[in-house]
Amino acid sequence: QKEVEQNSGPLSVPEGAIASLNCTYSDRGSQSFFWYRQYSGKSPELIMSIYSNGDKEDGRFTAQLNKASQYVSLLIRDSQPSDSATYLCAVNLNTGFQKLVFGTGTRLLVSP
Amino acid sequence: DVKVTQSSRYLVKRTGEKVFLECVQDMDHENMFWYRQDPGLGLRLIYFSYDVKMKEKGDIPEGYSVSREKKERFSLILESASTNQTSMYLCASSTRTGHQPQHFGDGTRLSIL
Repeated sequence: QKEVEQNSGPLSVPEGAIASLNCTYSDRGSQSFFWYRQYSGKSPELIMSIYSNGDKEDGRFTAQLNKASQYVSLLIRDSQPSDSATYLCAVNLNTGFQKLVFGTGTRLLVSP
Repeated sequence: DVKVTQSSRYLVKRTGEKVFLECVQDMDHENMFWYRQDPGLGLRLIYFSYDVKMKEKGDIPEGYSVSREKKERFSLILESASTNQTSMYLCASSTRTGHQPQHFGDGTRLSIL
């Protein structure tokens, strides 16, 4: 089993819809979780961090964490064509170092 | 804002050459990381460093070495470049305290001919 798993997609949604991206992880001791957005040919950009069970909202983005079920999700409301990118889920392993394990990413396509 | 600067956006080298990739961060972060990213394989950790002169192997260290002589600078070295090292290389940094994210540089797209 991979440490962090994401559906590779592409996930296609129309403009204005809600995009839902999911991620599962294997290490029950993981404490922190991050979502990065990566445009083609560019480097990953941090968009959300979440550390506690429940929801965290930032503008059009909501991160959801369920440690009991070992999943974290990202909701994008009112999706825009500019949101089309690959979204990477990253999990901080329960070690002394700030070492992240990344999923392979979900490609999101938002059509006008 | 955190600024992580990689020395080159694009680099073309020949097989067998010794290649240096440089990374500098301006946030006094303790941790620095080198990844490579390939289609379908995602981000793979090559080496990381949690302090000056300290280094730890990541998941794919073969064929690479690193140097961290100053806190702000972390160099990746390809001892004898090979075509299978053609890739996007990404440097990242993070603070040691708390559960903080990593911040990435713009990346170096390296081609080995």
